[in-house]
Amino acid sequence: DTAVSQTPKYLVTQMGNDKSIKCEQNLGHDTMYWYKQDSKKFLKIMFSYNNKELIINETVPNRFSPKSPDKAHLNLHINSLELGDSAVYFCASSPRGRLDNEQFFGPGTRLTVL
Amino acid sequence: DQQVKQNSPSLSVQEGRISILNCDYTNSMFDYFLWYKKYPAEGPTFLISISSIKDKNEDGRFTVFLNKSAKHLSLHIVPSQPGDSAVYFCAAGRIGNYGQNFVFGPGTRLSVLP
Repeated sequence: DTAVSQTPKYLVTQMGNDKSIKCEQNLGHDTMYWYKQDSKKFLKIMFSYNNKELIINETVPNRFSPKSPDKAHLNLHINSLELGDSAVYFCASSPRGRLDNEQFFGPGTRLTVL
Repeated sequence: DQQVKQNSPSLSVQEGRISILNCDYTNSMFDYFLWYKKYPAEGPTFLISISSIKDKNEDGRFTVFLNKSAKHLSLHIVPSQPGDSAVYFCAAGRIGNYGQNFVFGPGTRLSVLP
């Protein structure tokens, strides 16, 4: 049983398209996150939701819009994709939004924008 | 501006020997530190953490040391095993601040040679 799952695993698309990445966790956690791992391999937080409420929104272009229909799901929608959006995107979850809670990561979605 | 640095992109160690992975941080407000391990095509998995009130935390073969005055932490793996070959990420943050998140380093790729 996969604790944090993401779909799709790979996504190749053209510039200007709109795409979504889905994330689901079956751990009963309250908090979910989206990270971007760029070409330099840094993992950077993008968003965090706690019980469907947005609690972290880092400096991310507003082309990126997270959607949390319920606390087990946090989807990432990206409009007007750009070349610089190519990266690996990781979803994660934790019991609560405190730093001393271990975060459980999904396997990642590799997005390639051509 | 990298708040968390891992200056060794890679490290090779013989099986059975000690692996020492280093991490430096610049923000003196950080008071909670973690190490994550990542295998190819998988998400990071939590390994070990340490609070700033301690200078050492041990879990089996893994020990994390924290030197607050030097803003330096290290992960020791003894003895190293081939299955430890992975990328290790150091992360730091301020505990208790709801809505805060970790800052990750760029990772160090450890290769344990049989």
